[in-house]
Amino acid sequence: KNQVEQSPQSLIILEGKNCTLQCNYTVSPFSNLRWYKQDTGRGPVSLTIMTFSENTKSNGRYTATLDADTKQSSLHITASQLSDSASYICVVSVPSNTGKLIFGQGTTLQVKP
Amino acid sequence: NAGVMQNPRHLVRRRGQEARLRCSPMKGHSHVYWYRQLPEEGLKFMVYLQKENIIDESGMPKERFSAEFPKEGPSILRIQQVVRGDSAAYFCASSPRQADGYTFGSGTRLTVV
Repeated sequence: KNQVEQSPQSLIILEGKNCTLQCNYTVSPFSNLRWYKQDTGRGPVSLTIMTFSENTKSNGRYTATLDADTKQSSLHITASQLSDSASYICVVSVPSNTGKLIFGQGTTLQVKP
Repeated sequence: NAGVMQNPRHLVRRRGQEARLRCSPMKGHSHVYWYRQLPEEGLKFMVYLQKENIIDESGMPKERFSAEFPKEGPSILRIQQVVRGDSAAYFCASSPRQADGYTFGSGTRLTVV
């Protein structure tokens, strides 16, 4: 069964600190792996997209890594801000003619002042 | 460009009533995807449509749920005879090409009482 598992389920950090979120997937093969940010009451917004041949991708203070051999990805947030408080979702795209995405359950990050 | 517009944002229905959720894709996007997010769970794929065609409905419950994307007007997700278990957030995404450039709407939160 294609699955995407994320850890930790939730995380609290102080403003200015760094953090790393983990994603393990069993989806195989896959087209690409994405990290989304979902604010409360909003739809997911894309942060990074990586194909299986890419090891790292950055978007400002967000850096995603991918190890296709171990089927693991991480999202590193540098110098966290209060506005980073949100749910971060790891998403794997299945190669098909339908564009179906498989979502992890997300990591809820709370940044405190 | 107003992005992907979903309405209503919140919908309350009594058991047995019908729920109609609307999604207007971004301008120039002809691919629409519906996802459901149950409480404390990740988004789950429901259906993928192009104009006037259902491409993949493998995630749709076999009864009471239907979707359409007419030539003119928004995509509609219709749930007949709603039950409490239908309470969830329903997200629509659109893209200009298959499986690429997803943009999500802010979702419709359905509550069945």
